[in-house]
Amino acid sequence: NAGVMQNPRHLVRRRGQEARLRCSPMKGHSHVYWYRQLPEEGLKFMVYLQKENIIDESGMPKERFSAEFPKEGPSILRIQQVVRGDSAAYFCASSPRASLDTGDTQYFGPGTRLTVL
Amino acid sequence: GQQVMQIPQYQHVQEGEDFTTYCNSSTTLSNIQWYKQRPGGHPVFLIQLVKSGEVKKQKRLTFQFGEAKKNSSLHITATQTTDVGTYFCVRNSGAGSYQLTFGKGTKLSVIP
Repeated sequence: NAGVMQNPRHLVRRRGQEARLRCSPMKGHSHVYWYRQLPEEGLKFMVYLQKENIIDESGMPKERFSAEFPKEGPSILRIQQVVRGDSAAYFCASSPRASLDTGDTQYFGPGTRLTVL
Repeated sequence: GQQVMQIPQYQHVQEGEDFTTYCNSSTTLSNIQWYKQRPGGHPVFLIQLVKSGEVKKQKRLTFQFGEAKKNSSLHITATQTTDVGTYFCVRNSGAGSYQLTFGKGTKLSVIP
């Protein structure tokens, strides 16, 4: 049973380019979460999606960032016109249900390390 | 979201020594989770604590949840080099409790 998959694992972009990060949740999981981690920091919540719906994007920067989780295919985190400050590790997590009060946990993918030159 | 504070931020121990990291919240927590992240890796779920005063053990790891549900600790007995990594305490936040709010973590180094 494959875990959460993310690709690419490493991505290098020049300032002004676009970055596309992909996430395939665990089999049977329909809830996807994206987090960002700066060096020496904890993870920060960005967005929560279910199939074809954005449920909560309160952690997403207002500009240049967008996320989707189409009916078919992986979830995509898109960063337009990248800047140096976007350099970070971006982690995707999935869960079978939304509420974590029932004891469900979020399973994290290996992450995409984005470097902006 | 409301933060959880972790101390210490860094800890260097000799292999075989014990290690403890502490997590504090200014508000009552419904539960607390602990994750471990190896260098260059991703967070891996260790445990969730729900009940006041709860103590859970996983081999050499002991997790505690305070009576007031405002603090937690992770204790590792006789550390090994495989314990190296950053340990995060994590709370749920947000309207649907699905947002995980990470502390800054405690980075553990083990000197062989």
